[in-house]
Amino acid sequence: DTAVSQTPKYLVTQMGNDKSIKCEQNLGHDTMYWYKQDSKKFLKIMFSYNNKELIINETVPNRFSPKSPDKAHLNLHINSLELGDSAVYFCASSQSDRGREQYFGPGTRLTVT
Amino acid sequence: AQKVTQAQTEISVVEKEDVTLDCVYETRDTTYYLFWYKQPPSGELVFLIRRNSFDEQNEISGRYSWNFQKSTSSFNFTITASQVVDSAVYFCALTLSSGAGSYQLTFGKGTKLSVIP
Repeated sequence: DTAVSQTPKYLVTQMGNDKSIKCEQNLGHDTMYWYKQDSKKFLKIMFSYNNKELIINETVPNRFSPKSPDKAHLNLHINSLELGDSAVYFCASSQSDRGREQYFGPGTRLTVT
Repeated sequence: AQKVTQAQTEISVVEKEDVTLDCVYETRDTTYYLFWYKQPPSGELVFLIRRNSFDEQNEISGRYSWNFQKSTSSFNFTITASQVVDSAVYFCALTLSSGAGSYQLTFGKGTKLSVIP
């Protein structure tokens, strides 16, 4: 069984569209994350979320918004897509105990044309 | 703010050679956690090891070993007798123990390791 899953794996869309990426974890973790990996492989945190708090990286445009219907899901909504949004987006989860390792989903490759 | 530096962008070795991947970190916290992740060509991110700032013991797992030295703020990763399957991008990462966003990983830029048969 997949621990952290993301759908879709590939997403090709045009500028200006709105899209969502779904993430689900079956590890029973209480904290979930979204990371962005750019074309140079640099990984950067976008959001972390658990029942108590949403932490947003200040560099993330407000076109990006996480939505968590329950502890096992953290979806990423992106409005008005831009060319620069093209990247691989990774979902991850962990227990909120400090310093616990995070487990990553397989990634979603978003291409904006 | 914390920072992770992996100065080696790319390394190529011949199979069976040993290779060390360097990681240097910066943080003002006295309690923090360090990680290594592997990203093979297939793209997934695989957790390899976690180390907390109070535990400076080196660790060995099969062909992998990690050398944590607080005095030099380094957490280096050595692969012994490298194999083609070790070819991947390796990321060092840091997270703090407290404060807003303390769960979040700060990654280095990664080191691409190519093992040539």
